[in-house]
Amino acid sequence: AQSVTQLDSHVSVSEGTPVLLRCNYSSSYSPSLFWYVQHPNKGLQLLLKYTSAATLVKGINGFEAEFKKSETSFHLTKPSAHMSDAAEYFCVVTLRYGGATNKLIFGTGTLLAVQP
Amino acid sequence: DVKVTQSSRYLVKRTGEKVFLECVQDMDHENMFWYRQDPGLGLRLIYFSYDVKMKEKGDIPEGYSVSREKKERFSLILESASTNQTSMYLCASSLSTGMNTEAFFGQGTRLTVV
Repeated sequence: AQSVTQLDSHVSVSEGTPVLLRCNYSSSYSPSLFWYVQHPNKGLQLLLKYTSAATLVKGINGFEAEFKKSETSFHLTKPSAHMSDAAEYFCVVTLRYGGATNKLIFGTGTLLAVQP
Repeated sequence: DVKVTQSSRYLVKRTGEKVFLECVQDMDHENMFWYRQDPGLGLRLIYFSYDVKMKEKGDIPEGYSVSREKKERFSLILESASTNQTSMYLCASSLSTGMNTEAFFGQGTRLTVV
Protein backbone atom coordinates (compact mmCIF):
# COMPACT_ATOMS: atom_id res chain seq x y z
CA ALA A 1 0.00 0.00 0.00
CA GLN A 2 1.07 3.55 -0.63
CA SER A 3 1.76 5.83 2.33
CA VAL A 4 3.96 8.67 3.45
CA THR A 5 5.53 9.40 6.83
CA GLN A 6 6.61 12.86 7.77
CA LEU A 7 9.16 12.37 10.46
CA ASP A 8 8.75 15.70 12.25
CA SER A 9 5.48 17.31 13.22
CA HIS A 10 7.21 20.61 14.09
CA VAL A 11 10.47 22.13 12.86
CA SER A 12 11.85 25.46 14.05
CA VAL A 13 14.71 27.27 12.32
CA SER A 14 16.24 30.72 12.44
CA GLU A 15 15.87 33.05 9.51
CA GLY A 16 18.76 32.56 7.09
CA THR A 17 19.55 28.99 8.18
CA PRO A 18 18.86 25.84 6.14
CA VAL A 19 15.53 24.04 6.19
CA LEU A 20 15.14 20.25 6.14
CA LEU A 21 11.70 18.65 6.23
CA ARG A 22 11.82 14.88 6.13
CA CYS A 23 9.51 12.51 4.28
CA ASN A 24 9.66 8.76 3.77
CA TYR A 25 7.30 6.96 1.45
CA SER A 26 6.05 3.48 0.87
CA SER A 27 4.90 2.44 -2.58
CA SER A 28 4.46 -0.83 -4.40
CA TYR A 29 5.38 0.80 -7.69
CA SER A 30 7.39 3.75 -8.89
CA PRO A 31 5.75 6.62 -7.07
CA SER A 32 4.78 10.13 -7.95
CA LEU A 33 5.60 12.40 -5.03
CA PHE A 34 4.64 15.95 -4.22
CA TRP A 35 5.24 18.60 -1.61
CA TYR A 36 2.43 21.03 -0.87
CA VAL A 37 2.52 24.08 1.37
CA GLN A 38 -0.34 25.62 3.33
CA HIS A 39 0.03 29.11 4.72
CA PRO A 40 -2.26 30.12 7.59
CA ASN A 41 -5.89 30.41 6.48
CA LYS A 42 -4.97 29.60 2.90
CA GLY A 43 -5.52 26.63 0.59
CA LEU A 44 -2.80 24.18 -0.38
CA GLN A 45 -0.27 25.19 -3.01
CA LEU A 46 2.01 22.85 -4.94
CA LEU A 47 5.70 23.41 -4.14
CA LEU A 48 7.19 20.73 -6.37
CA LYS A 49 6.64 17.25 -7.77
CA TYR A 50 8.76 14.24 -8.62
CA THR A 51 7.88 12.63 -11.93
CA SER A 52 10.88 10.29 -12.44
CA ALA A 53 12.51 12.64 -14.94
CA ALA A 54 15.16 13.79 -12.46
CA THR A 55 15.91 12.82 -8.88
CA LEU A 56 16.60 16.40 -7.78
CA VAL A 57 13.49 18.47 -8.18
CA LYS A 58 13.40 22.24 -7.93
CA GLY A 59 10.26 24.00 -6.82
CA ILE A 60 8.97 27.44 -6.11
CA ASN A 61 10.41 29.87 -3.55
CA GLY A 62 13.86 28.24 -3.55
CA PHE A 63 12.74 24.84 -2.29
CA GLU A 64 14.03 21.57 -3.69
CA ALA A 65 13.66 17.89 -2.92
CA GLU A 66 15.73 14.84 -3.74
CA PHE A 67 14.19 11.47 -4.53
CA LYS A 68 16.29 8.66 -3.06
CA LYS A 69 14.90 5.29 -4.00
CA SER A 70 17.39 3.35 -1.85
CA GLU A 71 16.26 5.27 1.22
CA THR A 72 12.60 5.64 0.13
CA SER A 73 12.91 9.30 0.99
CA PHE A 74 11.84 12.60 -0.54
CA HIS A 75 13.14 15.25 1.84
CA LEU A 76 12.41 18.93 1.25
CA THR A 77 15.23 21.44 1.64
CA LYS A 78 15.94 25.13 1.30
CA PRO A 79 19.38 26.70 1.78
CA SER A 80 18.18 29.78 3.64
CA ALA A 81 14.87 30.16 5.45
CA HIS A 82 12.77 33.28 5.13
CA MET A 83 10.09 34.47 7.51
CA SER A 84 7.51 33.96 4.77
CA ASP A 85 8.33 30.22 4.72
CA ALA A 86 6.50 29.72 8.00
CA ALA A 87 3.66 27.36 7.07
CA GLU A 88 2.58 23.75 7.17
CA TYR A 89 4.15 21.41 4.62
CA PHE A 90 2.65 18.16 3.36
CA CYS A 91 4.40 15.30 1.61
CA VAL A 92 2.08 13.45 -0.76
CA VAL A 93 2.23 10.18 -2.72
CA THR A 94 -0.09 9.21 -5.52
CA LEU A 95 -2.20 6.07 -5.45
CA ARG A 96 -3.61 4.96 -8.74
CA TYR A 97 -7.29 4.13 -8.74
CA GLY A 98 -8.66 2.36 -11.78
CA GLY A 99 -8.00 3.91 -15.21
CA ALA A 100 -6.07 7.12 -14.98
CA THR A 101 -7.58 8.45 -11.80
CA ASN A 102 -5.21 9.20 -8.97
CA LYS A 103 -5.77 9.58 -5.29
CA LEU A 104 -3.40 11.71 -3.27
CA ILE A 105 -2.26 10.20 0.01
CA PHE A 106 -1.15 12.90 2.45
CA GLY A 107 1.35 12.80 5.25
CA THR A 108 0.35 14.26 8.59
CA GLY A 109 2.16 17.53 7.92
CA THR A 110 5.19 19.40 9.29
CA LEU A 111 4.67 22.82 10.81
CA LEU A 112 7.66 25.02 10.03
CA ALA A 113 8.36 27.96 12.33
CA VAL A 114 10.96 30.57 11.35
CA GLN A 115 12.47 32.61 14.14
CA PRO A 116 13.86 36.10 13.47
CA ASP B 1 -4.92 29.86 -13.48
CA VAL B 2 -6.97 26.99 -12.22
CA LYS B 3 -9.56 28.09 -9.78
CA VAL B 4 -11.31 25.89 -7.26
CA THR B 5 -13.94 27.79 -5.34
CA GLN B 6 -15.66 26.65 -2.18
CA SER B 7 -18.90 28.42 -1.45
CA SER B 8 -18.22 29.28 2.20
CA ARG B 9 -15.08 29.98 4.22
CA TYR B 10 -16.81 29.54 7.58
CA LEU B 11 -19.99 27.73 8.56
CA VAL B 12 -21.66 27.13 11.90
CA LYS B 13 -24.39 24.49 11.99
CA ARG B 14 -26.40 22.75 14.65
CA THR B 15 -26.24 19.05 15.47
CA GLY B 16 -28.63 17.07 13.31
CA GLU B 17 -28.81 19.61 10.50
CA LYS B 18 -28.28 18.56 6.89
CA VAL B 19 -25.26 20.49 5.59
CA PHE B 20 -24.21 21.15 2.01
CA LEU B 21 -20.67 22.16 1.08
CA GLU B 22 -20.28 23.28 -2.51
CA CYS B 23 -17.21 23.26 -4.72
CA VAL B 24 -16.80 24.55 -8.26
CA GLN B 25 -13.77 24.29 -10.56
CA ASP B 26 -13.28 26.17 -13.79
CA MET B 27 -10.69 24.04 -15.64
CA ASP B 28 -12.80 21.17 -16.95
CA HIS B 29 -11.06 18.67 -14.67
CA GLU B 30 -12.40 15.13 -14.59
CA ASN B 31 -11.43 14.36 -11.00
CA MET B 32 -12.77 16.09 -7.93
CA PHE B 33 -12.06 15.31 -4.28
CA TRP B 34 -13.27 16.15 -0.81
CA TYR B 35 -10.82 15.99 2.09
CA ARG B 36 -11.10 16.89 5.72
CA GLN B 37 -8.13 18.31 7.55
CA ASP B 38 -7.61 17.87 11.28
CA PRO B 39 -4.53 18.81 13.35
CA GLY B 40 -2.01 16.00 13.50
CA LEU B 41 -3.92 13.87 11.00
CA GLY B 42 -3.10 15.61 7.73
CA LEU B 43 -5.70 15.45 4.98
CA ARG B 44 -8.00 12.45 4.82
CA LEU B 45 -10.01 11.61 1.73
CA ILE B 46 -13.77 11.48 2.21
CA TYR B 47 -15.06 10.93 -1.33
CA PHE B 48 -13.90 11.50 -4.86
CA SER B 49 -15.42 11.55 -8.32
CA TYR B 50 -13.80 10.81 -11.67
CA ASP B 51 -16.75 11.72 -13.86
CA VAL B 52 -20.22 13.22 -13.75
CA LYS B 53 -22.54 11.15 -11.58
CA MET B 54 -19.66 8.86 -10.61
CA LYS B 55 -18.40 8.70 -7.04
CA GLU B 56 -16.12 6.57 -4.97
CA LYS B 57 -15.64 6.32 -1.23
CA GLY B 58 -12.41 7.51 0.23
CA ASP B 59 -10.94 6.56 3.57
CA ILE B 60 -13.55 8.14 5.86
CA PRO B 61 -16.93 8.25 4.05
CA GLU B 62 -19.15 7.50 7.06
CA GLY B 63 -21.66 10.24 7.72
CA TYR B 64 -21.07 11.90 4.34
CA SER B 65 -22.45 11.68 0.84
CA VAL B 66 -21.61 13.52 -2.38
CA SER B 67 -23.27 14.67 -5.55
CA ARG B 68 -21.80 15.45 -8.96
CA GLU B 69 -24.51 16.41 -11.40
CA LYS B 70 -22.28 18.66 -13.50
CA LYS B 71 -18.61 18.28 -14.31
CA GLU B 72 -17.59 21.53 -12.66
CA ARG B 73 -19.48 21.08 -9.39
CA PHE B 74 -18.95 18.61 -6.56
CA SER B 75 -21.04 18.81 -3.42
CA LEU B 76 -20.36 17.26 -0.04
CA ILE B 77 -23.39 16.50 2.10
CA LEU B 78 -23.44 15.87 5.81
CA GLU B 79 -26.70 13.98 6.23
CA SER B 80 -27.05 14.74 9.95
CA ALA B 81 -24.25 16.90 11.26
CA SER B 82 -22.50 15.83 14.42
CA THR B 83 -19.92 17.59 16.59
CA ASN B 84 -17.19 15.17 15.47
CA GLN B 85 -17.61 16.54 11.96
CA THR B 86 -16.29 19.91 13.08
CA SER B 87 -13.28 20.30 10.82
CA MET B 88 -11.69 22.06 7.85
CA TYR B 89 -13.01 20.70 4.56
CA LEU B 90 -10.94 21.03 1.40
CA CYS B 91 -12.08 20.45 -2.15
CA ALA B 92 -9.62 19.64 -4.95
CA SER B 93 -9.67 18.88 -8.66
CA SER B 94 -7.26 17.33 -11.14
CA LEU B 95 -7.00 16.11 -14.69
CA SER B 96 -7.10 12.42 -15.45
CA THR B 97 -3.78 12.30 -17.26
CA GLY B 98 -1.74 9.88 -15.23
CA MET B 99 0.20 9.56 -12.04
CA ASN B 100 2.00 12.89 -12.19
CA THR B 101 -1.06 15.04 -12.23
CA GLU B 102 -1.18 17.54 -9.42
CA ALA B 103 -4.35 18.51 -7.62
CA PHE B 104 -5.56 22.07 -7.20
CA PHE B 105 -7.21 23.02 -3.94
CA GLY B 106 -9.86 25.44 -2.83
CA GLN B 107 -9.43 27.75 0.16
CA GLY B 108 -11.27 25.44 2.49
CA THR B 109 -14.46 25.61 4.53
CA ARG B 110 -14.12 25.64 8.28
CA LEU B 111 -17.23 23.95 9.62
CA THR B 112 -18.23 24.11 13.25
CA VAL B 113 -21.07 21.90 14.46
CA VAL B 114 -22.56 22.99 17.78
